[in-house]
Amino acid sequence: GAGVSQSPRYKVAKRGQDVALRCDPISGHVSLFWYQQALGQGPEFLTYFQNEAQLDKSGLPSDRFFAERPEGSVSTLKIQRTQQEDSAVYLCASSFDRTGSGATYNEQFFGPGTRLTVL
Amino acid sequence: AQKITQTQPGMFVQEKEAVTLDCTYDTSDPSYGLFWYKQPSSGEMIFLIYQGSYDQQNATEGRYSLNFQKARKSANLVISASQLGDSAMYFCAMSGVYNFNKFYFGSGTKLNVKP
Repeated sequence: GAGVSQSPRYKVAKRGQDVALRCDPISGHVSLFWYQQALGQGPEFLTYFQNEAQLDKSGLPSDRFFAERPEGSVSTLKIQRTQQEDSAVYLCASSFDRTGSGATYNEQFFGPGTRLTVL
Repeated sequence: AQKITQTQPGMFVQEKEAVTLDCTYDTSDPSYGLFWYKQPSSGEMIFLIYQGSYDQQNATEGRYSLNFQKARKSANLVISASQLGDSAMYFCAMSGVYNFNKFYFGSGTKLNVKP
């Protein structure tokens, strides 16, 4: 399909394991965002890429969280030494470049998320 | 800092009736955008409607309209003629008006449409 895809959809990890979550944005989308959504809460910003450059990582909760987008398309969110509080849905979103279009907003297109459960 | 508040954890509405989902916000930015997203049980966030802080008229998109009251810092979503498929979580979000901006989300409202 033409939407944002994420894999795996579900991931169960034992405490202390490392996990890697993948996001395939919509083709041609310049921006890519990662959000963390705890149960019963709204998504919270983690990090943002413009092409391959990580311009904002202020939302990453600890240095165990690391994200990359080496070729400006697919992105991976890695969590090292997972802990139970990392259990959440991790959402990826992308948007295209509206520079010069006159548009004053830029909607984000979200993937279905990866539900991470840390036991 | 930006903050979005949704005070209704859950709402019920009868099919075919209208419903209003509340959203208030706080920001010191002079320009900002307000979004509503729908999240069905499948988990994907679906964009519904947008309102810019300088827009003179309230936004409308089909059965969705946004009741924007800037002085009160509120951006309530109105869904007319509710359908069973409208049952979902609804999130209000805010961002800057520049090209690339992260979203700040509220805690959401769970809407249940009764037949």
